[in-house]
Formats: sequence, structure tokens, C-alpha cells
Amino acid sequence: QSVLTQPPSVSGAQGQRVTISCTGSSSSIGAGFDVHWYQQLPGTAPKLLIYGNTIRPSGVPDRFSGSKSGTSASLAITGLQAEDEADYYCQSYDSSLSALVFGTGTKVTVL
Amino acid sequence: QVQLQESGPGLVKPSQTLSLTCTVSGVSISSGSYYWTWIRQPAGKGLEWIGRMSTSGNTNYNPSLRSRVTTSVDTSKNQFSLKLTSVTAADTAVYYCARENFNRIFGVIRPGWFDPWGQGTLVTVSS
Repeated sequence: QSVLTQPPSVSGAQGQRVTISCTGSSSSIGAGFDVHWYQQLPGTAPKLLIYGNTIRPSGVPDRFSGSKSGTSASLAITGLQAEDEADYYCQSYDSSLSALVFGTGTKVTVL
Repeated sequence: QVQLQESGPGLVKPSQTLSLTCTVSGVSISSGSYYWTWIRQPAGKGLEWIGRMSTSGNTNYNPSLRSRVTTSVDTSKNQFSLKLTSVTAADTAVYYCARENFNRIFGVIRPGWFDPWGQGTLVTVSS
């Protein structure tokens, strides 16, 4: 049961900037719970991209950045590259469900 | 380098129990403060958190699956396991194990993030 809503798809030309939104509620993101982001390349397991709203793990390019405001969060990819074509998921916690929750997922296409 | 690897039957009959094991390497499952987690993904669909456990015995499950889920940990083998009872075709999915990392703020555990993940194992429910 996805309680975090993401756009199904976003696209951009190589070198452009794209953003992916993640909309929650007052019991999830709006309640102060952190948002984390994952990249899933075709046929592979998800990989951590951003944690704690804005922190990039070692090895993740600085082209990826995260932000959070109110009941929403965003992932930005600047200087879009062909290898960024993948599915992206946000993740947080929902206190009304007492469950860790994922976003609906966004497919990024590089034109 | 911490690595996780899922194992178990790839085919389960309807109404039976799905059983999976995750073997952790590169770190003792008892070390540090982590939750050990199961997540699944039906083909072409999104991710669903199943549940988590700590080596101290704390468990939390997705309310939508709670009545059918059991998890356990075997520290001697550095493994943790998942059992899902009364499976149907809707339980067909790739099942991932992962480590949940979290922060404590004023002594309270804040729900965390998943890293690393296992490669995933496909479980099909079919007669």
C-alpha cells in the first residue's frame, strides 16, 4: 500500500536537470520522518542513493541531490546521463500505518 | 564489505508456506544496531516492506501481512529468515533482504534506510 506518491515517469535530454517528487502526508513526511531514495537499474536490486533527506552515500555522484519540505520531498538529477535511466523510489515511515513505506516509483528516461 | 544473499525455494504451492533465508557476510549480524529486513516486489510493480527484526528480538511487520509473517534470526549461522503462510498468487514476487540503518535521537530509534540489499530471489506461487 503506497502512501507516498511519485510521478510515474519523467524524462529529459542528456545533460539536463530532472526532478522527482515524493508526496506524503501529515503522518509520514509531514510528521518529520526522514525520506530516503533508491535507484533500481533494470533487473537489479535497488541501490541507496540518498538517505536522511539530503545525504549521499560514498560513491554516489553529486549529480544526485535530495530535499524535503512540508509533506513532500524531491530528488534532483543534474547533468542527466544515459546510465541514469532507471526506476527511482522514495521511502519513509508512516505513523498511522506503523510501517516503513515506499513511493509508487518513477521511471526516468533519458532522451 | 557487507553482503546479503537470499536463498529458498523458487516455487511454492498455493496455501503453503513460503520460507526464505538471508545469509549475511562481511559483518556479524549481532554487531551494531541494525534491523534486518524483508522487502518484496511483484513483477513490474513497486516495493513493499514486509517486516524487520533485530537480534535482540524486536520485530515489526507490515500490518497488511502481519497475520501471515514470522521472522527469525540465527546468529550462529549469521542468517535471518522469513516465513509467509497461506500464500496465494498475489505473493508471487522478487523477495529482497536488506539491512536497515537507523539513527537514535534522544535515545529514540528513528525509522531508517535500507543498505545494503541482497540481489533478490524470485518466488512464484503456483500449483
